[in-house]
Amino acid sequence: EVQLVQSGAEVKKPGESLKISCKGSGYSFTSYWIAWVRQMPGKGLESVGIIYPGDSDTTYNPSFQGQVTISADKSTSTTYLQWSSLKASDTAMYFCARRVDFWSGETTNWFDPWGQGTLVTVSS
Amino acid sequence: QSALTQPASVSGSPGQSITISCTGTSSDVGNYNYVSWYQQHPGKAPKLMIYDVSNRPSEVSNRFSGSKSGNTASLTISGLQAEDEADYYCSSYTSSTIEVFGTGTKVTVL
Repeated sequence: EVQLVQSGAEVKKPGESLKISCKGSGYSFTSYWIAWVRQMPGKGLESVGIIYPGDSDTTYNPSFQGQVTISADKSTSTTYLQWSSLKASDTAMYFCARRVDFWSGETTNWFDPWGQGTLVTVSS
Repeated sequence: QSALTQPASVSGSPGQSITISCTGTSSDVGNYNYVSWYQQHPGKAPKLMIYDVSNRPSEVSNRFSGSKSGNTASLTISGLQAEDEADYYCSSYTSSTIEVFGTGTKVTVL
């Protein structure tokens, strides 16, 4: 079964650092991009950025550039989203999702599966 | 990167059909046939419903269909059922090589 399993909920104070994870299994981890998606309380989905674990090529949504760092560890099939100094406005659910852009010999574009989400709460 | 525009809410009675629009620009929806749709129930992760404008994963009911005209994509749910009550998001590949999501639509089954 293809799945992404994310790390558990976190409660942090402003200014603290944090690294959350997303572990893939059931497929060739290095052959698919992984996206990180933010969902603030009661709000919609926003692309944070994507990473290709095969070579760690990364693209950020300009709105998040410099605010977070996305990385990957091929040896453990895990991608990470990290902050060096959290703000209250980082409070949100964060999802990872596998991006499929080539399937059955054709280019395509979709996100599946999704991780279960990691709730990050930043409060003093 | 601006979010794609969706109606905030759409409602319908059981058995009816509803359509959700998703309007973008010539840099995303209008330039690529890479629009996908996701269903999200409260407290759950999004689920893929439609990809590449109109393709449906095998496990998704054929009551869900997608289309596109110009800069606007649409998701139609026919034979509306109580279980279809959820939030729906469109997504499009963009010229920035990263996807953009829609603002989201809450579907209510009356």
